[in-house]
Parts: sequence; structure tokens; C-alpha cells
Amino acid sequence: GAVVSQHPSWVICKSGTSVKIECRSLDFQATTMFWYRQFPKQSLMLMATSNEGSKATYEQGVEKDKFLINHASLTLSTLTVTSAHPEDSSFYICSARRGTTLHEQYFGPGTRLTVT
Amino acid sequence: DQQVKQNSPSLSVQEGRISILNCDYTNSMFDYFLWYKKYPAEGPTFLISISSIKDKNEDGRFTVFLNKSAKHLSLHIVPSQPGDSAVYFCAAMGGGADGLTFGKGTHLIIQP
Repeated sequence: GAVVSQHPSWVICKSGTSVKIECRSLDFQATTMFWYRQFPKQSLMLMATSNEGSKATYEQGVEKDKFLINHASLTLSTLTVTSAHPEDSSFYICSARRGTTLHEQYFGPGTRLTVT
Repeated sequence: DQQVKQNSPSLSVQEGRISILNCDYTNSMFDYFLWYKKYPAEGPTFLISISSIKDKNEDGRFTVFLNKSAKHLSLHIVPSQPGDSAVYFCAAMGGGADGLTFGKGTHLIIQP
């Protein structure tokens, strides 16, 4: 199988603080990891693409300085929401792509972020 | 602007019958299409995919049809089972982009 985990599964933080979300590929090496955000009753929106050892590529409209992505190894990517505000409250989902399956992304279970 | 559209927010189908979920896209650069199944508070699970060079792909109870000229694809599930109740997302990729572009999803409800 291809298992992707996320931690934490849910987090509540105060406005102005930073939150780090981890995404791990448990049984394969992920050459590329993606971060998506989903608002209620909306589609998953791609935020950024990260390749191990290089800077993330952000989608238009996503603030690089607010959503810091680090892809330090082939099995771990982290998303840090800096100076979080209530409008950042959302469901954040990562996915990982194996090198040999270019078109198949394996998704993590998601992280529910609530900023109060 | 939604490049991938799933115009039916929900669909109710009787157990044992065929479920047909539809998806339309506008970007002609898309060359690969995927269907995902998602339960609440969980990440999407990959179901089936199709390349733009094909018009049909089948995997067990799931078949995806692609009509490139109409920029339309559909997912057929037959026979439908209670465990199929979930939100189904259509996704597309291509045009040099690595990430997926998703539709808003269709909530499939299988009635006993």
C-alpha cells in the first residue's frame, strides 16, 4: 500500500500564533508532496508543491511567508501556518507522489485547523 | 473560475443499481483524470484514473468514461453498494502542472 499520515489530525490555536502540520509517507519515498486546503462544501485547492531538498512552488494567491513549507526528507514535509488568523481555519490535506506513479497521489487524512 | 465542474452536489441511488457521476472540464491542457472517494474528516482515496489517450478504463465495479470532444467524463459504479456512500471528487492534471485540480465533489447516497 501507500500510506500517508498527518499530524496533528486537529488543532485549535489562538490568533497570532503559528501551527506546524506534518505529513509523512510511511511506506514509500515521496519525490513530491503537495499541500491542499479545503473549505466547507468546496473543492480541494492546491496550495503548493514541494520537492525534497528544494523550495516549494506556491499557487497563485497563496502567501509564501504565511504558509511555510519544508520538505526536508523523502518521507516528511511540514506546513507551518504563521501568525494564524480565523480566516485560516480550514481542512489542510497533504498528498505524496511516488516516483514511479506520476499520476497517482496518495492523500493523508487531513488536519482540521481552527483559529480562535 | 472552476476548471473542473461537478454540477450535481448530491446523487441518490438504490442499492444494486448503477451510479453515474459526471464531471466536466474547461482546460484543454488537462491530459489525465482521476476519481477520488472521500469520507468526512478523511483524506481522499484514489479510485480510478484515465489518460486522455483513452476513452474508457475499467477496474472491477468502477468504470470511467472520457469524452474529450465534449470535455466530459463520468464514473460508473455497478452494482452500487451501501459502502459506496461518500463524496466523490473528479480531479484533473496537465498543462505542465504537477498538482491536481479538483471539482467540488458529488455526495453519493446509496439507499438500501
